[in-house]
Amino acid sequence: KAGVTQTPRYLIKTRGQQVTLSCSPISGHRSVSWYQQTPGQGLQFLFEYFSETQRNKGNFPGRFSGRQFSNSRSEMNVSTLELGDSALYLCASSLRLAGGPNTGELFFGEGSRLTVL
Amino acid sequence: SQQGEEDPQALSIQEGENATMNCSYKTSINNLQWYRQNSGRGLVHLILIRSNEREKHSGRLRVTLDTSKKSSSLLITASRAADTASYFCATLGNTGGFKTIFGAGTRLFVKA
Repeated sequence: KAGVTQTPRYLIKTRGQQVTLSCSPISGHRSVSWYQQTPGQGLQFLFEYFSETQRNKGNFPGRFSGRQFSNSRSEMNVSTLELGDSALYLCASSLRLAGGPNTGELFFGEGSRLTVL
Repeated sequence: SQQGEEDPQALSIQEGENATMNCSYKTSINNLQWYRQNSGRGLVHLILIRSNEREKHSGRLRVTLDTSKKSSSLLITASRAADTASYFCATLGNTGGFKTIFGAGTRLFVKA
């Protein structure tokens, strides 16, 4: 079974630009969560998508957005990039069942490392 | 804000020794999980303990959970150089939606 795939793995952008990151979850997983990891703030929850709908959201500005497609693949977008957006962006999929119970166990991709100059 | 806080922030031990990491959290939880991350890579799930469990084992890993103190510990026995990584505790809450919140992590360095 293929794992979680994130693309691109590395990218460099300049301030003011926008970026789109992609995540393909494990087959059968309908929940995709996104995290931002920085040395100073650690792993911060961005949002979670389930069945094409954003179900949970962290404390990030509206510049951070995402979506999920019918095949459960997800994208996140960051507009008007700032230097502080430089981070490792991690996607994780989970076998979330609509009726529960759910463990919240996450399966991570290798991440997309974004550098903003 | 993060749910969990790990202690210590960093730990350096010799190969063969045991490593103990602690985690504290703030709110009611459904379960607590431990993950490992090798430098700059994705996280790997190690073990999950439910809120009604007190101790769990998996290979060289032993996890305890004290819900009255809102704390957990991860013990790695007979450490190996390959155990060098960052370890994170994470919690799935009973409220606030389906989101797993991570602590700041403990950096473990095992010297050969």
